Amino acid sequence: QITLEESGPALVKPTQTLALTCTFSGFSLSSNRVGVGWIRQPPGKALEWLALIYWNDDKRYTPSLKNRLTLTKDTSKNQVVLTMTNMDPGDTATYYCTHSYFDDSPLDYWGQGTLVTVSS
Amino acid sequence: DCLMTQSPLSLPVTLGQPASISCRSSQSLVYSDGNTYLSWFHQRPGQSPRRLIYKVSNRDSGVPDRFGGGGSGTDFTLKISRVEAEDVGVYYCMQTTHWPHTFGQGTKLEIK
Repeated sequence: QITLEESGPALVKPTQTLALTCTFSGFSLSSNRVGVGWIRQPPGKALEWLALIYWNDDKRYTPSLKNRLTLTKDTSKNQVVLTMTNMDPGDTATYYCTHSYFDDSPLDYWGQGTLVTVSS
Repeated sequence: DCLMTQSPLSLPVTLGQPASISCRSSQSLVYSDGNTYLSWFHQRPGQSPRRLIYKVSNRDSGVPDRFGGGGSGTDFTLKISRVEAEDVGVYYCMQTTHWPHTFGQGTKLEIK
């Protein structure tokens, strides 16, 4: 079965760079039409779509954060890394990674999420 | 960006009664391939969201048939025929037709 797990620091300081890793099993990111994405949710607020990387290394980012986000994949390790530069307290949120099967089946599996707090 | 607007934002419902959530998009969600990429998610307190419906009306495996999705173009609805206690939480619509993908603000369903 498909599982995803997010990992990374729980606390980062303002201006620092955040690196979150999504480690997954049950599928390969080299398989046709597969994608891994990131969603975040500030405490008590709505979901926000951030970014998505496809099997063919096509990458999409939300325009409002595009200059701060980078996605990389390591197919051999079954991992996707999201980096976000210049962290701000407004970036405090639970960050989720998700599996998608191209357009046909978006966000069909989610990780449990990891809470990142930005504070000095 | 394609703005997704849900209503109501708060939905108190009596057990056993129906419930309906509206989701409107600022642009048509019909893609060039003819499909409409509108999904619905449910998030219980303290849990990750779970997808219920994809491509407007397709129920995910394990989703009770009291959940139904419908609509077209820019107007969509999630209906629960008879609300049960486990249905509490926040419901989100999401479009994946346009980049960036976008969510609605969420509708919080509670039991009266």
